[in-house]
This record gives sequence, structure tokens and C-alpha cells, in this order.
Amino acid sequence: EAGVAQSPRYKIIEKRQSVAFWCNPISGHATLYWYQQILGQGPKLLIQFQNNGVVDDSQLPKDRFSAERLKGVDSTLKIQPAKLEDSAVYLCASSFIGQGSDEQFFGPGTRLTVL
Amino acid sequence: DAKTTQPPSMDCAEGRAANLPCNHSTISGNEYVYWYRQIHSQGPQYIIHGLKNNETNEMASLIITEDRKSSTLILPHATLRDTAVYYCIVSPTPSGSARQLTFGSGTQLTVLP
Repeated sequence: EAGVAQSPRYKIIEKRQSVAFWCNPISGHATLYWYQQILGQGPKLLIQFQNNGVVDDSQLPKDRFSAERLKGVDSTLKIQPAKLEDSAVYLCASSFIGQGSDEQFFGPGTRLTVL
Repeated sequence: DAKTTQPPSMDCAEGRAANLPCNHSTISGNEYVYWYRQIHSQGPQYIIHGLKNNETNEMASLIITEDRKSSTLILPHATLRDTAVYYCIVSPTPSGSARQLTFGSGTQLTVLP
């Protein structure tokens, strides 16, 4: 079974530029999560989708971050414009509702450096 | 606010059992205890979870105290590949949607040769 795919793996941009990250969850997983992980900290949930609807985006900085999940499969997270403090690893995860463990499967992440 | 307290770091000798403690004194009745780990430069990986009974799987054992205020993750025979940050998370059972996880800073476990 293929895991959660993310691209790109690394991205370096200058502040005030825009950037987009892509995630392809495990086939059949209705729930998709985006996390931000700053160096030395645990992942922080940014947004949670169930199919193509948003369940929780309370921690998403909506003035600069946006995310969509068209057709309830792939998802894109965008930052526009980027700030220095956005330097982090952006993790995508997916889960299958109804599975006993409610396990979240994580992708490898995209490491963003804002200069 | 993190609902768990973990030591920031621990060492363990290869081949020995690694016992990672977690305090969750404010846990409520419908909250499960989850453990994930994150190997360097990878995404977190699920290990095990439990409500009030001890649990065991192919990766680890989870011991939850009777009052549920603390738990211990046990890796019975640690290997160098078990070096990672281990996160203890308490998570309520959601209604109508998938479970959310709130990560703290975790414990950096270093397995020494």
C-alpha cells in the first residue's frame, strides 16, 4: 500500500514570495490533515479536511495561508506571502474513519526555508 | 496547551528495555492515550494506543496506571533504529469526525550501542 506522498521535499524562498505544497493521501482515506512543525517542536495542526470539507481550520493563519482539497483526494497548502517565521516542515497526514486505531499516516514532509 | 508531561530526553542501551514515562493527570474519561514516534527527517509514526487496559502489539507495550493519570511505553528490546522523538498524546473520542492529535515536545530517546 502506497503511503502519503508530498512534494516538493524541500523549498527555499525569499520572504514575501508565495509557495505551494501538494499532498496525495492514502487511497480511500477520507480525512486529511496539514501540520506545521517548527524545529525543536512537535507538529501543530493547521487544518483538517473530511472529504472535501473543512472540519477544523482554527489554527490556520488565514491572512496568508490557504488550503483546498478538491474532489476530496489531493490537497494543496499555500502560503502567500511568506514570512521568516514560516520556516518549518509541513506535514500531511491522512486517516480512515472507522478504523479501530484512528491511526494517522504521515507523509515525509516538505521542509520550507524562508530567507 | 499540552495535556501531557514527558521528560525531554532519555538514553537506553541497545538490547535493553526502554521505558518512556508520560504524565497525564488531567485526562478525562473519554480520552485515549496515543503514542507516536518521529525518526529524524521522517513524519511521525503510530505506535500504540489505549484507554485503560494495558496494550501490546508488535512494536511496544503500553502500561496505563489504574487511575489513568500516567502511562509508560515499553520498547522491550531497543535497537539503534528506535532512536527517535516519542510523543505521548491524550485524545478524546470525536463525534462525527476523525480524531485530532495535539503534539507536545516529546521525549528524545537515544539508543546507545
